[in-house]
Amino acid sequence: EVQLMESGGGLVQPGGSLRLSCAASGFTFKNYEMNWVRQAPGKGLEWVAYSSNVGGTIHYADSVKGRFTISRDNSKNSLYLQMNSLRAEDTAVYYCARADFGEFYFDHWGQGTLVTVSS
Amino acid sequence: DIQMTQSPSTLSASVGDRVTITCRASQSVSVWLSWYQQKPGKAPNLLIYKASNLASGVPSRFSGSGSGTEFTLTINSLQPDDFATYYCQQFDGNSGGYTFGQGTTLDIK
Repeated sequence: EVQLMESGGGLVQPGGSLRLSCAASGFTFKNYEMNWVRQAPGKGLEWVAYSSNVGGTIHYADSVKGRFTISRDNSKNSLYLQMNSLRAEDTAVYYCARADFGEFYFDHWGQGTLVTVSS
Repeated sequence: DIQMTQSPSTLSASVGDRVTITCRASQSVSVWLSWYQQKPGKAPNLLIYKASNLASGVPSRFSGSGSGTEFTLTINSLQPDDFATYYCQQFDGNSGGYTFGQGTTLDIK
């Protein structure tokens, strides 16, 4: 069974940093492209970042470019999101989501982890 | 960047009804349009991929159509479990990024 499990969320002050993790199981992680998607409270979905299957190609939403870094460790079946210079508007549930190689839709999602940026 | 316009934002319907949700792109996305269902407090769930392909395990009352800039999600014979929020999503081949529609909340009339 495919499982994606996010962790690392919590309360952080504006300007602070946080690192999210996504542990994958039930599939060959290195064969899949991975993404982070977020959802602010009561709002819609916003794509945040993309990593190719080996991490050689990376893309970011303009709203996080220069502040967030997506990375992965295929030996640990894990995806990461390093978030720096956090702002109140980054407050959201963060989901990791899987995409098959060369496909542009998300067929499995984690349960999400809540990040709250507040003083 | 490609903009997505999803309509309506809310939709009231009854069990057994047929409903349609529309998503329009500011420029062609070919068939790279997906639909997701989300229930409160839960992660989104893939319903339709590549505009018209039913995802695994999704009931056949869900269907998608369209290409280029205009797409529709149709739900035939609404069931109580279908009352949720629906999102379209497109892939922008120029930027390598994705954009979601604003969402459509389907509630019971």
